[in-house]
Amino acid sequence: EDKVVQSPLSLVVHEGDTVTLNCSYEVTNFRSLLWYKQEKKAPTFLFMLTSSGIEKKSGRLSSILDKKELFSILNITATQTGDSAVYLCAPRRGGADGLTFGKGTHLIIQP
Amino acid sequence: DVKVTQSSRYLVKRTGEKVFLECVQDMDHENMFWYRQDPGLGLRLIYFSYDVKMKEKGDIPEGYSVSREKKERFSLILESASTNQTSMYLCASSTLGQANWPQHFGDGTRLSIL
Repeated sequence: EDKVVQSPLSLVVHEGDTVTLNCSYEVTNFRSLLWYKQEKKAPTFLFMLTSSGIEKKSGRLSSILDKKELFSILNITATQTGDSAVYLCAPRRGGADGLTFGKGTHLIIQP
Repeated sequence: DVKVTQSSRYLVKRTGEKVFLECVQDMDHENMFWYRQDPGLGLRLIYFSYDVKMKEKGDIPEGYSVSREKKERFSLILESASTNQTSMYLCASSTLGQANWPQHFGDGTRLSIL
């Protein structure tokens, strides 16, 4: 059975702090891993990681995948209150089927 | 920009009713998905479809069925609604091919079964 574990489940930090969110997975026929940010409505896509060791960056967010150790991390530097959200990790299996989501990390940034 | 539209943001129905949730995407995507999201359980895949009239069960298909008569529309059907189907339902779509795979989500339908 596929398994995705995100940690921590929740995190409260102050503006300006740097945070690291973790995702470990066990997925049959792994193809790639996706990170999403969910505020009040639909999850919005952040990154898709396919290869180990290659960091993807978008502004203050970055992410990296380790396919040997089966985990990924999402870093957010100089956090802002607008970063408050649930961050979802979702490995993708081969084929057309859907993603397997972790339960998410609920991140709260305090002013 | 990809637009995935779910017909209702909030819906209240009674136990035993047949419930239809509709989803439309405007990007000619081949793949469409229905998830439900519950506190403490995260997003779980109910059904997906990779082509018109094609459907595949996801992780929790019991109590649900789907219909994909046209490429842009994917319907989720609760044959006889029960209270344990109260949840947030999210529809998503994606195209084929690894290079452009991210699933795009609708805003969700919060369904309450009384």
